Amino acid sequence: DAGVIQSPRHEVTEMGQEVTLRCKPISGHDYLFWYRQTMMRGLELLIYFNNNVPIDDSGMPEDRFSAKMPNASFSTLKIQPSEPRDSAVYFCASSLPGGKNTEAFFGQGTRLTVV
Amino acid sequence: SQQGEEDPQALSIQEGENATMNCSYKTSINNLQWYRQNSGRGLVHLILIRSNEREKHSGRLRVTLDTSKKSSSLLITASRAADTASYFCATDPGANNLFFGTGTRLTVIP
Repeated sequence: DAGVIQSPRHEVTEMGQEVTLRCKPISGHDYLFWYRQTMMRGLELLIYFNNNVPIDDSGMPEDRFSAKMPNASFSTLKIQPSEPRDSAVYFCASSLPGGKNTEAFFGQGTRLTVV
Repeated sequence: SQQGEEDPQALSIQEGENATMNCSYKTSINNLQWYRQNSGRGLVHLILIRSNEREKHSGRLRVTLDTSKKSSSLLITASRAADTASYFCATDPGANNLFFGTGTRLTVIP
């Protein structure tokens, strides 16, 4: 397996535009996580899914953020409208069935810059 | 916040020396994990220690866990320049999610 695949790797957009980040988890993994990393706040858990169902979205900062997982092999994180303070690296991670005591596999991240 | 905190924030050592990083957390946990992040890359899992374990080894890595103090340490022995990276602890509070600490930036000088 190629690991967790995120796209795009880099995104530069203007304030107010819609941004969609994409993630393909490792096949067979039933947990999927979205994280945001900034210098100021470190790694923040935004939302995670189990079997395509959102379990906890309490980390989503505002209603401008939304995430979906229409099937086991694809998830999106959407920001609409985007703001400069959304600039960060967004990571997707997945883990094996049975969640407990298993490691998370991370994608390479999407570096988002909102100007 | 359920995030852990690593100490020190930054550590610089000579190649061949040992590096010790500490992690403190706030809630009860199922397990604690350590990850490594090279600059500009995703995180890579290093080692997992369960809440009923006190010490674990993997190659040059040694992890300890003290649940009474809600703390863990990661020891890297005989460090190499290639060990230069940021190291994060992550706690699983039992809901199958992971909360990450603030990280320790390790620099190993050749």
